[in-house]
Amino acid sequence: GAGVSQSPSNKVTEKGKDVELRCDPISGHTALYWYRQSLGQGLEFLIYFQGNSAPDKSGLPSDRFSAERTGGSVSTLTIQRTQQEDSAVYLCASSPGLAGETFFGPGTRLTVL
Amino acid sequence: AQSVTQPDIHITVSEGASLELRCNYSYGATPYLFWYVQSPGQGLQLLLKYFSGDTLVQGIKGFEAEFKRSQSSFNLRKPSVHWSDAAEYFCAVAAGTSGTYKYIFGTGTRLKVLA
Repeated sequence: GAGVSQSPSNKVTEKGKDVELRCDPISGHTALYWYRQSLGQGLEFLIYFQGNSAPDKSGLPSDRFSAERTGGSVSTLTIQRTQQEDSAVYLCASSPGLAGETFFGPGTRLTVL
Repeated sequence: AQSVTQPDIHITVSEGASLELRCNYSYGATPYLFWYVQSPGQGLQLLLKYFSGDTLVQGIKGFEAEFKRSQSSFNLRKPSVHWSDAAEYFCAVAAGTSGTYKYIFGTGTRLKVLA
């Protein structure tokens, strides 16, 4: 595809359930980011993958959050035992590695009931 | 720590009026600075960026921004606003070293345009 894609576009889950959010970055992009956007808040950095380097996980809010990137391409963000405060739009972005040429996906809107 | 402040949560302007959205950053080194726009139901789109050189940068849709190191600011401007500019605007700084960066975003400014 031409851009960053994310699935699902919307996810409604019950408190305590686990969820997986998927990101397909632009082909060839070495950098991949996950951000969270809550109502009335800015974009909160979660995690950053750059090539084969160890990911920067400094933004993950708790150990319930994890992410992996397989084969340097697709990434999955997993939230275990979801809580209502996890409700937000989760945005993925990718970049060819040069600061500034970053493209964002449309996001996954997560609602935890 | 790096941070970005957008002091105006909401701004309302009339169509055809000029616009300035404020952004202040905190970063120890020379920053890479960006403005993104998020229209309702849309993803984030890059408006413009500053890396180095000319401190006045031009972007898409008639926007420009000026980097002022002495004020740690990177304000976004447009001389004449169109109704389609109604959206949320985010300022960001890229923080990192050796070609690896993460983006620190402000909390955004929501722009409303009156007909």
